[in-house]
Amino acid sequence: GAVVSQHPSRVICKSGTSVKIECRSLDFQATTMFWYRQFPKQSLMLMATSNEGSKATYEQGVEKDKFLINHASLTLSTLTVTSAHPEDSSFYICSARDQGTGNTIYFGEGSWLTVV
Amino acid sequence: AQTVTQSQPEMSVQEAETVTLSCTYDTSESNYYLFWYKQPPSRQMILVIRQEAYKQQNATENRFSVNFQKAAKSFSLKISDSQLGDTAMYFCAFMKPPGGADGLTFGKGTHLIIQP
Repeated sequence: GAVVSQHPSRVICKSGTSVKIECRSLDFQATTMFWYRQFPKQSLMLMATSNEGSKATYEQGVEKDKFLINHASLTLSTLTVTSAHPEDSSFYICSARDQGTGNTIYFGEGSWLTVV
Repeated sequence: AQTVTQSQPEMSVQEAETVTLSCTYDTSESNYYLFWYKQPPSRQMILVIRQEAYKQQNATENRFSVNFQKAAKSFSLKISDSQLGDTAMYFCAFMKPPGGADGLTFGKGTHLIIQP
C-alpha cells in the first residue's frame, strides 16, 4: 500500500537551534500533507495543512514563524522548528492525502524531537 | 468546527473476546469520512477502517467492523476474536470531504488492552 516516510525518527538538538523534519510520500503524489503534534498519552493535534506550491494553513495557536512548513514538491513537505526550546520537545507526525485511493490519509512513522 | 468524542479512556478484555469502542462526533456537514486508527507502542498510526458518510452499509475489514449511525452521529468499532496484537491506542477521526484544507480531527483515544 501507500507509504509515507518521515525522517529523522529521532533528533536531539540544542536550545536555540533549528531542526528540519522531512515527510515524503513514496508511491503517490500528495498535493496536501498535514503536520500533527502529539504529547505523551494525548491525541494528535493538527498543527498545519501543507499545500504543494502554496503557503501552509496553520491552526489557531500555532506559531507560523516558529514552525516553518514548506511543500516544494508533490512528494515532499518539510517542517522546520526554529529557535527550538525544551517545550518544543514532542512527537511530530506527518500525513499525506492519497487522492488515488479515495482520499485515504497515510501517516509517517513520526519524529521524536528532544530539545536540550 | 467538528468535534470527536471517545468516552472510554481505557478498556481491557480477555483474548478472543469481542470488544466495542465507542465514538460520537458533531458536525454540520452532510458528507464526510470517518476513520479508526490504531497506534501501537511504536507510535505508527495504522488505518484500521474507514467509512464514507453517504454509504449506509457498515464498513468491515476482517475482524474489524463498524456500527455507523449517521442520525445519531455515532461510529463505534467492534473487534471480534481479539488478539494480543490488538493492544494499542485507538483513535476515532473525522474528515471533511476532499477539496477542503482540513486534516483529520481526532478523538482523545481509547487505550485497549487485550489480556492473555
